[in-house]
Amino acid sequence: KNEVEQSPQNLTAQEGEFITINCSYSVGISALHWLQQHPGGGIVSLFMLSSGKKKHGRLIATINIQEKHSSLHITASHPRDSAVYICAVRGGSNYKLTFGKGTLLTVNP
Amino acid sequence: DTEVTQTPKHLVMGMTNKKSLKCEQHMGHRAMYWYKQKAKKPPELMFVYSYEKLSINESVPSRFSPECPNSSLLNLHLHALQPEDSALYLCASSRTSTETQYFGPGTRLLVL
Repeated sequence: KNEVEQSPQNLTAQEGEFITINCSYSVGISALHWLQQHPGGGIVSLFMLSSGKKKHGRLIATINIQEKHSSLHITASHPRDSAVYICAVRGGSNYKLTFGKGTLLTVNP
Repeated sequence: DTEVTQTPKHLVMGMTNKKSLKCEQHMGHRAMYWYKQKAKKPPELMFVYSYEKLSINESVPSRFSPECPNSSLLNLHLHALQPEDSALYLCASSRTSTETQYFGPGTRLLVL
């Protein structure tokens, strides 16, 4: 069974700061997802990665397969970025995602 | 259209009621999923449908009954639920099993 660890659990930042959220997993994977969930809301898929780096707007996701580690970066953070960010990995099973516990990000104006 | 829709947004039901949750997507996705999410916890997979056939049931109690009438629609029928079943129920879909899952906004269920 894959264990997915996220750090930090909680993160508070000032508007404009550069944010990094980390995700480590224990077993080889076929893909890693970064998801965003606003309080009381549904989930938005931000990225799916199997290697390298992806960028979308102010969000950047990287993955190091050898080190079993991924990072999600937010540049020029904004209060609307406040949400829970969840890392999820897909291993041997095609369908099943193993989720991390999430990182609660609060960006203050 | 990159949207998964779920209805209703909120549902309150008694333990003797029968209700259904509905999920719809028009992206041509052939895999659809039901997840349950308790407060401050990550989602837990309940069921997976692939090409309208149930492919995974994560040992979910029989009071939850999924149905996939066609490739765009996924239902979750609820009967004789318990208060501990109160949660956010999320639907997701993906083009194939190896591609990004798109999540719906969820149905927030309260069982009294």
